[in-house]
Amino acid sequence: SSELTQDPAVSVALGQTVRITCQGDNLRTYFASWYQQKPGQAPILVIYGRNNRPSGIPDRFSGSSSGNTASLTITGAQAEDEADYYCNSRDSSGNHLVFGGGTKLTVL
Amino acid sequence: EVQLVESGGGLVKPGGSLRLSCAASGFTFSSYNMNWVRQAPGKGLEWVSSITGSSSYIYYADSVKGRFTISRDNAKNSLYLQMNSLKAEDTAVYYCARDTQYYDILTGHTVRYMDVWGEGTTVTVSS
Repeated sequence: SSELTQDPAVSVALGQTVRITCQGDNLRTYFASWYQQKPGQAPILVIYGRNNRPSGIPDRFSGSSSGNTASLTITGAQAEDEADYYCNSRDSSGNHLVFGGGTKLTVL
Repeated sequence: EVQLVESGGGLVKPGGSLRLSCAASGFTFSSYNMNWVRQAPGKGLEWVSSITGSSSYIYYADSVKGRFTISRDNAKNSLYLQMNSLKAEDTAVYYCARDTQYYDILTGHTVRYMDVWGEGTTVTVSS
């Protein structure tokens, strides 16, 4: 299967740690990248590769992978982290890209 | 400043055509593969199409194959998406996104991600 599965919604208390997961068979072969999208805005890249953050992304964002599951962890979630998060990777052909369905993160 | 700016969106009737453009600036456009990604109202992100820097390789999602054509003009630092036979389900915000890749020695695979996105252009297909 080339699908990526994410939980539709996750919540976290302010300052606590939250993990957002992404499952898919192709994650055993290819790394996931993670994107944050706030309402009315374009997505931005937050994690890519093994565990890399683009310039300007706070170090409370981290990534990991095990088997068919990729994870995005926010350590000490802030109110401004409330957003939709999408994972992305390649399909079985290696040439097409596929997104997970997205996880809506609520910071309580 | 690295920037992508989409244009060309609008209202079109089912069966009609539209051509989207994406103007790139602040980086060597020809050195990067590029993507189109769309988002239907209230829905998630959907990859639409990719094109390599030299236009040698082009890929499409099954949902648009045979109807959409991606192209680029490196001399004009521009990416395009020609959309034909449009359907209501093509209604979405269309983003262009830069594709960056590097080789991961440990896994032997290329790591691939979209590190620069435009603000999007809205396409509405309705009668």
